[in-house]
Amino acid sequence: EPEVTQTPSHQVTQMGQEVILRCVPISNHLYFYWYRQILGQKVEFLVSFYNNEISEKSEIFDDQFSVERPDGSNFTLKIRSTKLEDSAMYFCASSEDRGLFFGSGTQLSVL
Amino acid sequence: GENVEQHPSTLSVQEGDSAVIKCTYSDSASNYFPWYKQELGKRPQLIIDIRSNVGEKKDQRIAVTLNKTAKHFSLHITETQPEDSAVYFCAASEYKLSFGAGTTVTVRA
Repeated sequence: EPEVTQTPSHQVTQMGQEVILRCVPISNHLYFYWYRQILGQKVEFLVSFYNNEISEKSEIFDDQFSVERPDGSNFTLKIRSTKLEDSAMYFCASSEDRGLFFGSGTQLSVL
Repeated sequence: GENVEQHPSTLSVQEGDSAVIKCTYSDSASNYFPWYKQELGKRPQLIIDIRSNVGEKKDQRIAVTLNKTAKHFSLHITETQPEDSAVYFCAASEYKLSFGAGTTVTVRA
């Protein structure tokens, strides 16, 4: 069964450093998303991406965040200058229509 | 934006009993309502979903009901088993998904 894949599974970084989280969505899906989940809390929407542009973003997705689809398969989330409060599990998701399929996540720890 | 409320936050049931989780939503434009199961340290997995033109949907031991007038929807798990223990999230959307806060379900053997 096709899956959304994410790398790395864990990322440790120093505050102020840039990180790039990588995702390979399911190949025939057209809609791509990033969500995050702080430990023990709900899954929070960050951004949606369709037709090579951002279709919607949340208040969390400020100027420090950006997304890119650099080629036909990868979808990346960049955090330019990480803060302590960016520590969370980041999930990529993709969909063909409505149902989201999540990747296994990248646990980001900002020290 | 959409606001999804989910109750209860924790639910403990005896194996074999039923579990019911309820969610309400605020945006009457929402027309898609999925449920996700998340085991500890793992990704949320879609277990069932319902669209606004349907009032009920069932898949083996899992069923979801939707009341669009009242803006609430529920997940029903019958004949619970230990492997049903997980965090369950409801969500609602017109376009992007907004998630409830989650229900931690514990099935006691």
